[in-house]
Amino acid sequence: AQKITQTQPGMFVQEKEAVTLDCTYDTSDQSYGLFWYKQPSSGEMIFLIYQGSYDEQNATEGRYSLNFQKARKSANLVISASQLGDSAMYFCAMTPGGGSNYKLTFGKGTLLTVNP
Amino acid sequence: ETGVTQTPRHLVMGMTNKKSLKCEQHLGHNAMYWYKQSAKKPLELMFVYSLEERVENNSVPSRFSPECPNSSHLFLHLHTLQPEDSALYLCASSQSDSYNEQFFGPGTRLTVL
Repeated sequence: AQKITQTQPGMFVQEKEAVTLDCTYDTSDQSYGLFWYKQPSSGEMIFLIYQGSYDEQNATEGRYSLNFQKARKSANLVISASQLGDSAMYFCAMTPGGGSNYKLTFGKGTLLTVNP
Repeated sequence: ETGVTQTPRHLVMGMTNKKSLKCEQHLGHNAMYWYKQSAKKPLELMFVYSLEERVENNSVPSRFSPECPNSSHLFLHLHTLQPEDSALYLCASSQSDSYNEQFFGPGTRLTVL
């Protein structure tokens, strides 16, 4: 069974500063995928970034980067130059390998508030 | 329409009502999903359809009945629900091969009285 742990229920950051949202995972699979999603108050889950377990480089997408430390089983999301529109819930998720790669397991989320 | 759409966006129903949630994806994907998001709980995967066949049913009570008539449409039929079924119901779609990200709709906020 897979498990995602997000230990920060809430985080605050000043506008234009960087913030790191923590995510650790537990799996016995050798191959897996890691995802981060953003959920604004409107409810829609927005895909941000993906990291494969065999990817040697950390994933980056614009202001988002994923700090992947495989040995520590952590996949932290780093948001640079925070904007007011970044205020939302952020979910870390993973899928197993093999034929079950559609099964997304989500963490409980971190509520990020960006202050002006 | 683009992406994944869901209707209705809000639904209030009594425990004896029958209603349906609708999801439509305009992305050409071949897999569709229903999730339940309750307050202070992680998203729970309910059902998965791949190539219009149900491949996952996560011990969901029979008062929830999914239907996938084609690869673009997914329904969730509801009957005799309980107040604890009140939640945000999210639909998603993806390509079923490899680690493709799932694209989500805006959700239906369901309240069961």
